[in-house]
Amino acid sequence: GIQVEQSPPDLILQEGANSTLRCNFSDSVNNLQWFHQNPWGQLINLFYIPSGTKQNGRLSATTVATERYSLLYISSSQTTDSGVYFCALKGNNDMRFGAGTRLTVKP
Amino acid sequence: KAGVTQTPRYLIKTRGQQVTLSCSPISGHRSVSWYQQTPGQGLQFLFEYFSETQRNKGNFPGRFSGRQFSNSRSEMNVSTLELGDSALYLCASSAAHGGYSPLHFGNGTRLTVT
Repeated sequence: GIQVEQSPPDLILQEGANSTLRCNFSDSVNNLQWFHQNPWGQLINLFYIPSGTKQNGRLSATTVATERYSLLYISSSQTTDSGVYFCALKGNNDMRFGAGTRLTVKP
Repeated sequence: KAGVTQTPRYLIKTRGQQVTLSCSPISGHRSVSWYQQTPGQGLQFLFEYFSETQRNKGNFPGRFSGRQFSNSRSEMNVSTLELGDSALYLCASSAAHGGYSPLHFGNGTRLTVT
């Protein structure tokens, strides 16, 4: 089945810093999504981004499906950005999630 | 619009028992999918229902089953509970099936098996 790898596994930032999270996948797909799971366990959809670039406030994402990767950019990070970021995509028969990047933003 | 509603939020069961979890999707969404989240295995896909039909199934034993009703509400059932079934169970709804539209998750049901 499709393999999904996220990097880095852990990231610690000072408030106000920028960061880039990466998601690599093994097959060319066109249904990638990014999620944020907050410390209370709530999973929020950030982007549905099969290809191209999208922006939403301080967050933006780019997917290059032909090269099998997607990037999530967080600018001017805030403590509320802390949590785990997942990418996910649809394989042959199931949704596959990466292991996540755990982001900690310190005040 | 109301979000995805999962009930109950917490459950404590004993090995060998069975459990039923409920999920009400966002109004108008016809796809409901279920996921198990554990510290060791991460987020794993259980199954997806669209228009009352199971469309896809993950690699879980037959003790895990589900169904979807005509109003798109879904239930999942786990029979003969094992300690390893302790997890956060999440459901998600979407407008299209197969992961081709944004998934919106509920707050989850945390199941503890003792």
